[in-house]
Amino acid sequence: GEDVEQSLFLSVREGDSSVINCTYTDSSSTYLYWYKQEPGAGLQLLTYIFSNMDMKQDQRLTVLLNKKDKHLSLRIADTQTGDSAIYFCAESISQAGTALIFGKGTTLSVSS
Amino acid sequence: GAVVSQHPSWVICKSGTSVKIECRSLDFQATTMFWYRQFPKQSLMLMATSNEGSKATYEQGVEKDKFLINHASLTLSTLTVTSAHPEDSSFYICSASASKNTGELFFGEGSRLTVL
Repeated sequence: GEDVEQSLFLSVREGDSSVINCTYTDSSSTYLYWYKQEPGAGLQLLTYIFSNMDMKQDQRLTVLLNKKDKHLSLRIADTQTGDSAIYFCAESISQAGTALIFGKGTTLSVSS
Repeated sequence: GAVVSQHPSWVICKSGTSVKIECRSLDFQATTMFWYRQFPKQSLMLMATSNEGSKATYEQGVEKDKFLINHASLTLSTLTVTSAHPEDSSFYICSASASKNTGELFFGEGSRLTVL
C-alpha cells in the first residue's frame, strides 16, 4: 500500500535554510503536498506540486520532486522563528475526490 | 481561497454521551469530504470518505457504528461519535476538495474532543 516517510525532527538557526525531506511509495501519485501545522491549530496548505513538475518555487519555499527516486523536499529560505511548526508531506494518487496519505510529520524548531 | 469550517472547535463531554461535529464548506460545493483523526504528536489518520447523498466509505479498523457520518448536502458533512469513551478523545479534522483540476484539499480548523 501507499506509505509516506519523513524524518521526525529538524533544528536550524534563524536565517539559515531548512530542508525537509520526504519519500513516498506510490509511483502513480498525481499531486504531492506540503502542509504546515502550528501548535493547537489545524492544517494549512503550504504548497503542492503536480507529478510532472521537477520544481516549484513560491517566495521562500522551494519544492523539489525526484519522481525516479520518489523523493520530495521542501526548502525554506531564511528560516524564521515563526516557521517553527510540524510539516506534513502528503500524496494523492488521483485528482480531486481522493484522500491524502500523510507522513508522520517533521517538527521544525528554529532558534534565534 | 476556499474555506472549510468545523464546529465545535472544542468539546468536552461525559463518557457514554454522543457528540456531533459539523464540517461545512463555506464558499464552494464539496461532493466529497474526508474525516481524519489525529492523535497527539502523530500524523493524520484517514477515518472515512463522506459522499454526498450516499453512505460513507470507512477505512479498515474504523467502526461504522461508532463514528456515524452523514453528508446531508453539498456543503455539510457531520461526524457523530456515539457513546463516547475516553479513548475517543482526539483531534478530528475534516477536509474537502474545492477543485477537480488541482486536487487541492482544504482542511477545517479541527475539533478537539475530550471525553471525561
